[in-house]
Amino acid sequence: KAGVTQTPRYLIKTRGQQVTLSCSPISGHRSVSWYQQTPGQGLQFLFEYFSETQRNKGNFPGRFSGRQFSNSRSEMNVSTLELGDSALYLCASSLGWREGYEQFFGPGTRLTVL
Amino acid sequence: DQQVKQNSPSLSVQEGRISILNCDYTNSMFDYFLWYKKYPAEGPTFLISISSIKDKNEDGRFTVFLNKSAKHLSLHIVPSQPGDSAVYFCAAIKMNSGYSTLTFGKGTMLLVSP
Repeated sequence: KAGVTQTPRYLIKTRGQQVTLSCSPISGHRSVSWYQQTPGQGLQFLFEYFSETQRNKGNFPGRFSGRQFSNSRSEMNVSTLELGDSALYLCASSLGWREGYEQFFGPGTRLTVL
Repeated sequence: DQQVKQNSPSLSVQEGRISILNCDYTNSMFDYFLWYKKYPAEGPTFLISISSIKDKNEDGRFTVFLNKSAKHLSLHIVPSQPGDSAVYFCAAIKMNSGYSTLTFGKGTMLLVSP
């Protein structure tokens, strides 16, 4: 079974630009969560999607948004990029709550904002 | 307010010895606790989990202990191997929230020297 894939793996943008990151979950997984990892902050939860609906949202500004498609693939978008948005963005998939709480992570997208 | 805390940013252990990674939490409503291992430039990999109704779970060289009264859990790795060198994240989940959201600690970097 293929794992979680994320594209692109690396991205360089400048302040003010916007970016879209993509995540393909493990086949059969309906829950997709996004996390931001920065040095010293660990993994901070951005949002979770389940069956195309946002089920939960972390404490991030509205510049961070996401969506999930009918095939469970998910995208996250960051608008008006700031230097502090430079981070590793991780996507994780799971069967979803009652069916299975273990989350399986992709390799991440390393975003650098100049 | 950090609900899951890993107070040791790093730990050094010699090969063959025991590694003990600690994690404290504040929310007594967590139902499951998970440990993830992360190598640089890769996503976290699930290691082992424990239900809040248990006090121990073992899988090969990895054992997780839960002390619910102290709101403390620990991951024991015996014997430690150089390949275990990575960042270890403790995470927790509330099942009755209806979400698949994991709350992570900031991680502990384990270095196992030959």
